[in-house]
Amino acid sequence: GENVEQHPSTLSVQEGDSAVIKCTYSDSASNYFPWYKQELGKGPQLIIDIRSNVGEKKDQRIAVTLNKTAKHFSLHITETQPEDSAVYFCAASKRATNAGKSTFGDGTTLTVKP
Amino acid sequence: SQTIHQWPATLVQPVGSPLSLECTVEGTSNPNLYWYRQAAGRGLQLLFYSVGIGQISSEVPQNLSASRPQDRQFILSSKKLLLSDSGFYLCAWRELAVFSISTDTQYFGPGTRLTVL
Repeated sequence: GENVEQHPSTLSVQEGDSAVIKCTYSDSASNYFPWYKQELGKGPQLIIDIRSNVGEKKDQRIAVTLNKTAKHFSLHITETQPEDSAVYFCAASKRATNAGKSTFGDGTTLTVKP
Repeated sequence: SQTIHQWPATLVQPVGSPLSLECTVEGTSNPNLYWYRQAAGRGLQLLFYSVGIGQISSEVPQNLSASRPQDRQFILSSKKLLLSDSGFYLCAWRELAVFSISTDTQYFGPGTRLTVL
């Protein structure tokens, strides 16, 4: 089955700096890659996603890049703010499967210091 | 718009007691539904998923069971809780598009914090 590895497990940056979180996946058939942000005591919320027919996607301060050949994708947060502090999860899944299961990384705890 | 509810929000139960957690989704039909468990500081472990009423697939052998008595209702149960059942339980849904091909994104509920003492 699919295996998703996420690095680093913890990341601390100064406010205003950039943060990068990387994930690798094993199943070359995976073609959908979402990123979730989980604040303490809450459920994960989708922040951005990318499909395999796209190499990069941006939404304001957040961007995701995908390298299908190398089977890795990354989350980039620019101009970080204290409210960006949270746990971030990447995931991989395949379309056109009825079960629609996703495989998640183990998460990255991002701390943005004011 | 679609919303997902979970209750209770928090629960403290003694070892050996039964469990029932409920999840409901509004604003969609025939969703795929999922139960995850998240141990403290850990990732998301898929426990069960359902593609329709009465259809339950288990991902890991364990002390828990799931049921889907209605299209938008998903229940997680246990007859006798163990200490190891403590954790943060998340329900998620995914829209089922036409021709039984799922769209992609899973949306999570607010979660239930279960503490077994």
